Amino acid sequence: EVQLVESGGALVQPGGSLRLSCAASGFIFSTYSINWVRQAPGKGLEWVSYISSSSGVVHYADSVKGRFTISRDNAKNSAFLQMNSLRAEDTGIYYCARDRHFEDWGQGTLVSVSS
Amino acid sequence: DVVMTQSPLSLPVTLGQPASISCRSSQSLVYSNGITYLSWFQQRPGHSPRRLIYQVSDRDSGVPDRFSGGGSGTDFTLKISRVEAEDVGVYYCMQGTHWPQTFGQGTKVEIK
Repeated sequence: EVQLVESGGALVQPGGSLRLSCAASGFIFSTYSINWVRQAPGKGLEWVSYISSSSGVVHYADSVKGRFTISRDNAKNSAFLQMNSLRAEDTGIYYCARDRHFEDWGQGTLVSVSS
Repeated sequence: DVVMTQSPLSLPVTLGQPASISCRSSQSLVYSNGITYLSWFQQRPGHSPRRLIYQVSDRDSGVPDRFSGGGSGTDFTLKISRVEAEDVGVYYCMQGTHWPQTFGQGTKVEIK
């Protein structure tokens, strides 16, 4: 069974940093790309970032470019999202999703940016 | 960015009756390989999104056959042949043809 488990969400002050993790199991992690998607409270889905299976290709939404960094460790079956210079508008649930077309999703981790 | 426009945004339905959601893209979603990367997702209240349909009309494993997807180019539709109580939630279309991937605003399906 495919499982994606996000962690690392927390309450942080504006300007602060967080590192989210996505632990994968039930499939050959090194052969799949990973996306991060977020959902602000009561709002829709927003794609945030993408990393290819080998880390050779990464993409970011304009709203996070220069502040967020996506990475992965295939030996540990994990992907990460380093979030710096956090803003109130970054608040929401962050999901990791498997493959280019979001075949499977984790349960999400909540990030709250507030003073 | 490709804009995905769903309608309606709210859809009250009667149990056992059909439902239909429209999704239109601001440009063609046909990729250079001829494949159209249009997916549909269901998000039940308090749950993560779940993919139902990919490449316009292919159902994911475990998705009931009352869900069907269709369309081409820039116009797409998700249909539920007979709505059941467990279908309540928000439905999103998403295009994966052009970077960045973009989602529709979501359509909230509720029981009358």
